[in-house]
Amino acid sequence: ETGVTQTPRHLVMGMTNKKSLKCEQHLGHNAMYWYKQSAKKPLELMFVYNFKEQTENNSVPSRFSPECPNSSHLFLHLHTLQPEDSALYLCASSLGGSETDTQYFGPGTRLTVL
Amino acid sequence: AQSVTQPDIHITVSEGASLELRCNYSYGATPYLFWYVQSPGQGLQLLLKYFSGDTLVQGIKGFEAEFKRSQSSFNLRKPSVHWSDAAEYFCAVGRGYGGSQGNLIFGKGTKLSVKP
Repeated sequence: ETGVTQTPRHLVMGMTNKKSLKCEQHLGHNAMYWYKQSAKKPLELMFVYNFKEQTENNSVPSRFSPECPNSSHLFLHLHTLQPEDSALYLCASSLGGSETDTQYFGPGTRLTVL
Repeated sequence: AQSVTQPDIHITVSEGASLELRCNYSYGATPYLFWYVQSPGQGLQLLLKYFSGDTLVQGIKGFEAEFKRSQSSFNLRKPSVHWSDAAEYFCAVGRGYGGSQGNLIFGKGTKLSVKP
C-alpha cells in the first residue's frame, strides 16, 4: 500500500470527451502534485498544490484543469484532449512543498486519447 | 537551466553482478539529488537522496550513491543485483527555488534488466 491511490488506473477517451482523474493520499501530507510520464521523455511536473493552493502551473494547456478541494484529494479534469496527451499521469504527495520533502507517488492512470 | 542526464537507456546485468547507473546533472549551486525506482505498473519509489554532508549516501534495498561535485555526478550502485531489482531508475535534481516548491527535474530513466 503506497498511501497514494489513483483512479481510474486505465482510461480511454475520445477527443471530445470530458473525464476526471482522481488522486487521494492517506499520509497526512499537505502538498500534492500531478506529473505526466510519456514514453522516452523525462517525467514532467504539471501542477503543484500546497495547502490547497496552486503554487505551480508548468505551462500546462488549459485542456487540463486541476482541482484540490482539500489536502487529501487532487483531481485532474480533462476536456478536448489530443492524442499526444496519451501518457501515464502520476500523482504524488509530500509532507510540505519543499524540495527536501520526499514525494510519494501513486501507481498512475494510463490515459489513451483516441 | 538545470538538467539531468542518464546516459544509459537500457542496461542488462546478470543476477549477483554489481551495478552502477550513471547520472550527471547541470546545476549552478549545491543540488538536491534523488534516485527513484519504478517497477512495472507502479509509481515511483524513493531509493535515496542527497542534500549535504557525507557524499556517500545509503538507501533502501541495498543501494548507495556517491555525489561527486567535480564530475557533476550522482551515480547509483549496488554490489549484488537481485532479479527483483529489474525496474526503471530515475535520477532527479531539486531546482532550488528557496524550498517553497518541491519542483524536481527528472532524467529520462535507465531501464534495468536482470539475467538469471
